[in-house]
Amino acid sequence: NAGVTQTPKFRILKIGQSMTLQCAQDMNHNYMYWYRQDPGMGLKLIYYSVGAGITDKGEVPNGYNVSRSTTEDFPLRLELAAPSQTSVYFCASSQTPVGTEAFFGQGTRLTVV
Amino acid sequence: QQQVKQSPQSLIVQKGGISIINCAYENTAFDYFPWYQQFPGKGPALLIAIRPDVSEKKEGRFTISFNKSAKQFSLHIMDSQPGDSATYFCAASMVTGNQFYFGTGTSLTVIP
Repeated sequence: NAGVTQTPKFRILKIGQSMTLQCAQDMNHNYMYWYRQDPGMGLKLIYYSVGAGITDKGEVPNGYNVSRSTTEDFPLRLELAAPSQTSVYFCASSQTPVGTEAFFGQGTRLTVV
Repeated sequence: QQQVKQSPQSLIVQKGGISIINCAYENTAFDYFPWYQQFPGKGPALLIAIRPDVSEKKEGRFTISFNKSAKQFSLHIMDSQPGDSATYFCAASMVTGNQFYFGTGTSLTVIP
């Protein structure tokens, strides 16, 4: 199994540009998450989804959008990139939030200049 | 508001020593406490987890100690090895919730 696949691995954006971070999982998990990781700040939840068609905001949703049209895919959209969005982004999935493992992708390192 | 507080931020241990990382929480509804290990350039991966009905769980050199009354839990790495050098995150979640709450991470360096 591939697990959780994120693309791209690296990206440099100019201020004001838009992009979509792709995330796909092949484990038929209901729950999917997007986190950003900044040095010394841990993992901050951006958005999560409990199933196809259902998404909700996490701790730091401003400047981002998500959609979940299928169980497998959970893309993260940055509409107007800002330097504050420079970070490492991780997508994860789990069957439930309790008692089961969350599987993480390899991450996307995004730099906004 | 940080739901799970983790310390220390960084830790340096000699090979063969014991590494101890601590976490504390306030929400008594949490009922699942996993620890994740992250190597540079990789995503976090589950290391070990505990439910609040037990006070300790051991898997190889890794042990979680859980103190429900103090709302604290800790990761102990016995006989620490250079290959254990990584960032460790504690986390918590609840049956009625929809997400994991992560600590801020501890960067562990094991010196040969």
